[in-house]
Amino acid sequence: DAGVIQSPRHEVTEMGQEVTLRCKPISGHDYLFWYRQTMMRGLELLIYFNNNVPIDDSGMPEDRFSAKMPNASFSTLKIQPSEPRDSAVYFCASSSLGGEKLFFGSGTQLSVL
Amino acid sequence: AQKVTQAQTEISVVEKEDVTLDCVYETRDTTYYLFWYKQPPSGELVFLIRRNSFDEQNEISGRYSWNFQKSTSSFNFTITASQVVDSAVYFCALSVHQGGSEKLVFGKGTKLTVNP
Repeated sequence: DAGVIQSPRHEVTEMGQEVTLRCKPISGHDYLFWYRQTMMRGLELLIYFNNNVPIDDSGMPEDRFSAKMPNASFSTLKIQPSEPRDSAVYFCASSSLGGEKLFFGSGTQLSVL
Repeated sequence: AQKVTQAQTEISVVEKEDVTLDCVYETRDTTYYLFWYKQPPSGELVFLIRRNSFDEQNEISGRYSWNFQKSTSSFNFTITASQVVDSAVYFCALSVHQGGSEKLVFGKGTKLTVNP
């Protein structure tokens, strides 16, 4: 299996621009998670899906953030408009069952200038 | 509150020393899972272990061992005879049951540096 695939690996953009991060979970996994990692706050759960349905988006910082999962093999995390404080590493992870181990993607390093 | 505390922000040891990374958790659930993940300098998060709340047996895997004690809500991780390749950030995590599903809550991580 190819594992969880995220793209792009690095994204540099200017404040105010729209940013879209992409994730392909492991085939057959029913859960998909988006995490953000910063030095100050560590790993924060932003949102997670079960069978393509958003279950908990309480970690999404504000309305500028949105996430979708149109099908079982693809999810996006969008920031519009982006701000410098959004600079972080964004991880996507998937698992087959709740409580099972998460398989993480390589992350997207986002820099908003 | 359901949370994970890793009190040690950074630890530095010399190769071949043993080192223990502490993890204390809080949860109201009677059934839960605890995890350890490793994040090497390359950045990816690597799963190390998953433990359910009903199994308090210590676990050993090579140079790694884990001590789970429900009485103190701790799930500590020991590396024996540390090596330079063990240098990484280590995260402890707790599965939280919410809304019929599970999600992982991570501690802030402990950065381990093993010097030659």
